[in-house]
Amino acid sequence: AQSVTQLDSHVSVSEGTPVLLRCNYSSSYSPSLFWYVQHPNKGLQLLLKYTSAATLVKGINGFEAEFKKSETSFHLTKPSAHMSDAAEYFCVVSDGGTASKLTFGTGTRLQVTL
Amino acid sequence: DGGITQSPKYLFRKEGQNVTLSCEQNLNHDAMYWYRQDPGQGLRLIYYSQIVNDFQKGDIAEGYSVSREKKESFPLTVTSAQKNPTAFYLCASSKTGTGAFYEQYFGPGTRLTVT
Repeated sequence: AQSVTQLDSHVSVSEGTPVLLRCNYSSSYSPSLFWYVQHPNKGLQLLLKYTSAATLVKGINGFEAEFKKSETSFHLTKPSAHMSDAAEYFCVVSDGGTASKLTFGTGTRLQVTL
Repeated sequence: DGGITQSPKYLFRKEGQNVTLSCEQNLNHDAMYWYRQDPGQGLRLIYYSQIVNDFQKGDIAEGYSVSREKKESFPLTVTSAQKNPTAFYLCASSKTGTGAFYEQYFGPGTRLTVT
């Protein structure tokens, strides 16, 4: 069985300051991990993915995440927040089966203030 | 312009009526998925299909039905047996392959309100 825990349901940062969204996972396999972003009333967009290559993964819009097996973590970071980053972020784990079934965290809402 | 389309964006129905949500993809993906999203609960898998004319139940399939007659299309019917049908429904697709980790691509979603 696999699971994902997003440690913060809501994070608020000031524009220009760093962003840290925390995610811990549990998986029986060597997992693949993803971060998706969702703006209000929209579908989900892939930010980045880890698939057992480099442990530091760079994504779109300046986001990156580091896979730490010893800590079972996959935290999402960005050096400087922008107003357009305000959205819901989901950490996701895949079981690697043929149909790549995904297990979603409950999401972290990022608020960016002036 | 490749992607996934869902229609309609907003849908209103009376309790006791069945309703079908459309999902079409032109990404040539073999697998397609339906998720339900409720506030504070993330996404939950309703049904998925790895190939035409075959589909499997997800974690919350009760009260829903699907068909996969064409590779490009995976409609979801919300039946009157679904106790709490009001939600945001998301369709997704992906490549398939044994041992592979393919990301899923999502449509824009359909917000269903049942009164």
